[in-house]
Amino acid sequence: AQSVTQLGSHVSVSEGALVLLRCNYSSSVPPYLFWYVQYPNQGLQLLLKYTSAATLVKGINGFEAEFKKSETSFHLTKPSAHMSDAAEYFCAVSDFSGGGADGLTFGKGTHLIIQP
Amino acid sequence: SQTIHQWPATLVQPVGSPLSLECTVEGTSNPNLYWYRQAAGRGLQLLFYSVGIGQISSEVPQNLSASRPQDRQFILSSKKLLLSDSGFYLCAWRYPGSAGLGEQFFGPGTRLTVL
Repeated sequence: AQSVTQLGSHVSVSEGALVLLRCNYSSSVPPYLFWYVQYPNQGLQLLLKYTSAATLVKGINGFEAEFKKSETSFHLTKPSAHMSDAAEYFCAVSDFSGGGADGLTFGKGTHLIIQP
Repeated sequence: SQTIHQWPATLVQPVGSPLSLECTVEGTSNPNLYWYRQAAGRGLQLLFYSVGIGQISSEVPQNLSASRPQDRQFILSSKKLLLSDSGFYLCAWRYPGSAGLGEQFFGPGTRLTVL
């Protein structure tokens, strides 16, 4: 069974500061990993995905994430926070094998707060 | 391009009343379809998924059911709502089989409040 742990239900950073949102996963097979962002009362938007092509993945809105197999981590970073980054962020894992109807396993989310 | 719609956007229902939430996808064929529920302070819980018309798999036993009457239509239903059914319901789709490498695309969601 696969699982996702997001450390910190709330993270607060100052505008212009580094954003670091932590995600650790467990999976019995090489995983596919995703970060999604959710703004209030909206659906989830895919930020970026890891599918084994490269360990450093760049996404939208200046975010990137690094896959570290030895640490089973996929932390999300952004060099300089903007007020518009305030949202809920979800890390998700899939042992997608190309067949069947797998769903994603999500972490509980991290609420990112940006201080002016 | 592909789009996914959900309606209604907001719903307030009394306990014991029926429920019908609808999700439709445009711009793709034979998608895998998913219903998730997001409760306050929690992550997303997969409720149902479907790989084709009439094919529904349930992940969590509960008083909800799902149906897929058409290729790009996914419906979430209940005969009698419980207070615990309150939450934010999200529909999602992905490309079938090995296409797309597993990422899912989400609709705007339905906020359900059961009173």
